Amino acid sequence: ETGVTQTPRHLVMGMTNKKSLKCEQHLGHNAMYWYKQSAKKPLELMFVYNFKEQTENNSVPSRFSPECPNSSHLFLHLHTLQPEDSALYLCASSQDITANSGANVLTFGAGSRLTVL
Amino acid sequence: QKEVEQNSGPLSVPEGAIASLNCTYSDRGSQSFFWYRQYSGKSPELIMSIYSNGDKEDGRFTAQLNKASQYVSLLIRDSQPSDSATYLCAPLYSGAGSYQLTFGKGTKLSVIP
Repeated sequence: ETGVTQTPRHLVMGMTNKKSLKCEQHLGHNAMYWYKQSAKKPLELMFVYNFKEQTENNSVPSRFSPECPNSSHLFLHLHTLQPEDSALYLCASSQDITANSGANVLTFGAGSRLTVL
Repeated sequence: QKEVEQNSGPLSVPEGAIASLNCTYSDRGSQSFFWYRQYSGKSPELIMSIYSNGDKEDGRFTAQLNKASQYVSLLIRDSQPSDSATYLCAPLYSGAGSYQLTFGKGTKLSVIP
């Protein structure tokens, strides 16, 4: 496997379900991200982890709970979601977050399409 | 407020023409700028980066940067139907000790055969 891998690619869940999205990167990067992409909205940054430490939580509701056990793996745990949470959830990684340079370039996974009924 | 403004389009150009995509940004401190392409149903992929004022060419793509005007653009020469996609402008913004890409809504480009 190369690049950034996300599973599952599609997920349908009810509002009372608990599910998780998984992301794995094989690029040797130090930073990992969760983005949300809804129709007609820009990509919204949700969480950033650098060396498995959370560095940014962009005012995300607590029904989204990230977990980063190491620099290669990132999870997004989902609980009691709302229909408006239906979106494409993109994981990304970058070499660094502290340099004002191309080291911050993001490589995205294919995304997990979430539908909340 | 860190803002990135792009014309959402759709921008329609005939095959073989030049497509011009524009972006303005609010953070004067931004030094690095990236263009991503996103095909429908796919994730964004990096196509160009630019760090200095002026033009940077890569094949059919030219990125242009004017920091004084807080303006960055992407030109696509000899446009092909396969260029039909949404193009995302992403300046690198500084936060609390870290740097993050901030994305515009994107411009949807349609190249007509």
